[in-house]
Amino acid sequence: DTEVTQTPKHLVMGMTNKKSLKCEQHMGHRAMYWYKQKAKKPPELMFVYSYEKLSINESVPSRFSPECPNSSLLNLHLHALQPEDSALYLCASSLGLAGYTGELFFGEGSRLTVL
Amino acid sequence: RKEVEQDPGPFNVPEGATVAFNCTYSNSASQSFFWYRQDCRKEPKLLMSVYSSGNEDGRFTAQLNRASQYISLLIRDSKLSDSATYLCVVSPSGNTPLVFGKGTRLSVIA
Repeated sequence: DTEVTQTPKHLVMGMTNKKSLKCEQHMGHRAMYWYKQKAKKPPELMFVYSYEKLSINESVPSRFSPECPNSSLLNLHLHALQPEDSALYLCASSLGLAGYTGELFFGEGSRLTVL
Repeated sequence: RKEVEQDPGPFNVPEGATVAFNCTYSNSASQSFFWYRQDCRKEPKLLMSVYSSGNEDGRFTAQLNRASQYISLLIRDSKLSDSATYLCVVSPSGNTPLVFGKGTRLSVIA
């Protein structure tokens, strides 16, 4: 079982809804990530937090808003999404920035459907 | 040229076969290299790191050729449970995000 926990596992929302995805890890990792993955595509990086500060935003639209309340938690707030935003949203963590070790620990993902 | 390129497959092989996946990367300054495995509708997981000297883990062997900017993964004696997508992953530097290839799909058939 993965040590990165994501909730909810499935989410269906309308284009006017506001919802949040949550991610938690207790491995003492100091870097946390949000990835988006469409079917038969590789994970696509959205945001990186390092020591609870946003260090990378890969030009993600503002309808996605990340938040890192503490070193164990990472949220992704969703508002006014489009149907094309439907995807699997993966949270990941690493001890330091993953460029050094290459070891990202992924959660099982939140499968989002926007109607 | 894409940063990390892989043959998407699918590779359909019988149980017991040996199969090899290749991957090329465009950034000659890239520092570290990895193979991840992703099962259908599951999260990616690190399979193994790739070292210049080559490394082996059971039935899996990974090799790196820096001169040709080429990485390979060899799976011997394929099992049904090896069916998955194999992602080639490159680290341009310690402080930059990992770059994922599009993955190669493997189906091992009984």
